[in-house]
Amino acid sequence: GQQVMQIPQYQHVQEGEDFTTYCNSSTTLSNIQWYKQRPGGHPVFLIQLVKSGEVKKQKRLTFQFGEAKKNSSLHITATQTTDVGTYFCAGPTRNDAGGTSYGKLTFGQGTILTVHP
Amino acid sequence: KAGVTQTPRYLIKTRGQQVTLSCSPISGHRSVSWYQQTPGQGLQFLFEYFSETQRNKGNFPGRFSGRQFSNSRSEMNVSTLELGDSALYLCASSLSILSNEKLFFGSGTQLSVL
Repeated sequence: GQQVMQIPQYQHVQEGEDFTTYCNSSTTLSNIQWYKQRPGGHPVFLIQLVKSGEVKKQKRLTFQFGEAKKNSSLHITATQTTDVGTYFCAGPTRNDAGGTSYGKLTFGQGTILTVHP
Repeated sequence: KAGVTQTPRYLIKTRGQQVTLSCSPISGHRSVSWYQQTPGQGLQFLFEYFSETQRNKGNFPGRFSGRQFSNSRSEMNVSTLELGDSALYLCASSLSILSNEKLFFGSGTQLSVL
């Protein structure tokens, strides 16, 4: 079945350092979404990328969608302690007929980011 | 606008019991999805409901079931609980006008099976 792999599993950085997490799908995605989950919290939607090669920025966060629409990355510049949490990528899951399944996202395992002040 | 509301926040049950979890989606959202989150398996899709109909189901045993009411509120039930069912159960809602919409998650129900 469809798989979404995310690396690294853990990342420890000093405050002010940059951070990048990578996401790879076994199948082409119609779009990719990124979520952040703070410790003890629930996933919160960050952004959705739809177009091949798309790049979007949110302040210190830069999201990219690969040309083949099978990979994506999230880069955080100059991390802060508020960036601590787990970052998940997720893509719509294809059903057996090859279409997109409603409401069903396949999530990567997530990258746990810790930031040391 | 109120977010997705899940109750209860915490549950402790023993093996063999059954449990019902509740989810109220954001007003106007008609799609409700359920996910199980564990440290080992990550976020796993359980099922999705839209207009009281289950449109999608994940790879979980039949002990896991759900339903949606006419007001879009949803419940999920787990019968004959096993130790491995201990997890954070997350409900998410979306407008579901398109098939690739972002999900709004609730705070989850932390279920512990002893």
